[in-house]
Amino acid sequence: AQSVTQPDIHITVSEGASLELRCNYSYGATPYLFWYVQSPGQGLQLLLKYFSGDTLVQGIKGFEAEFKRSQSSFNLRKPSVHWSDAAEYFCAVGPFSGGYNKLIFGAGTRLAVHP
Amino acid sequence: GAVVSQHPSRVICKSGTSVKIECRSLDFQATTMFWYRQFPKQSLMLMATSNEGSKATYEQGVEKDKFLINHASLTLSTLTVTSAHPEDSSFYICSAQPPQGTEAFFGQGTRLTVV
Repeated sequence: AQSVTQPDIHITVSEGASLELRCNYSYGATPYLFWYVQSPGQGLQLLLKYFSGDTLVQGIKGFEAEFKRSQSSFNLRKPSVHWSDAAEYFCAVGPFSGGYNKLIFGAGTRLAVHP
Repeated sequence: GAVVSQHPSRVICKSGTSVKIECRSLDFQATTMFWYRQFPKQSLMLMATSNEGSKATYEQGVEKDKFLINHASLTLSTLTVTSAHPEDSSFYICSAQPPQGTEAFFGQGTRLTVV
């Protein structure tokens, strides 16, 4: 069955430290992979996406992610975290039957940033 | 990027009443829209796929008579929570997909509280 696993429910890092958020997926074909960020009480903002091509994708706000097919992973990274990065991060995979881009989301990782 | 507007952002209603939530694509036509529900500190769960001019497709376990979806135009989908009960309190988020698009854009969400 298709699924997305984000092993870390909660991560705390110091401002300026590097960050890696893990995402593993189970999908029957070549996936479309997404990372979204959600601030409290807000909708989702797309950070980056992978459809094909270069497995290292660059996103907004200094984030990047690497698609590793052999590991079924799409981990999100940032070299230096800012206090404003504190939020909930969701990894998602699609598309699904009918040609629609509906997504399955992971459980999310809540990021806290210490000054 | 494309903009999806969701209204209202917050609503409080009495148990037994119905509530309508609107999802509009402001600068593109959306043949397909998706409705998600998010419980506190949990991930987004797809409720239904809304197709312009046809019936919505509901995910397993979602009551179609409870959550009425109408997609009457290419820029508007509505979700009506009928006979709302406190357990329907949740964060509802819509997303819209442009024709031939490979990415869905999310609204800012609606916080529904049933008292």
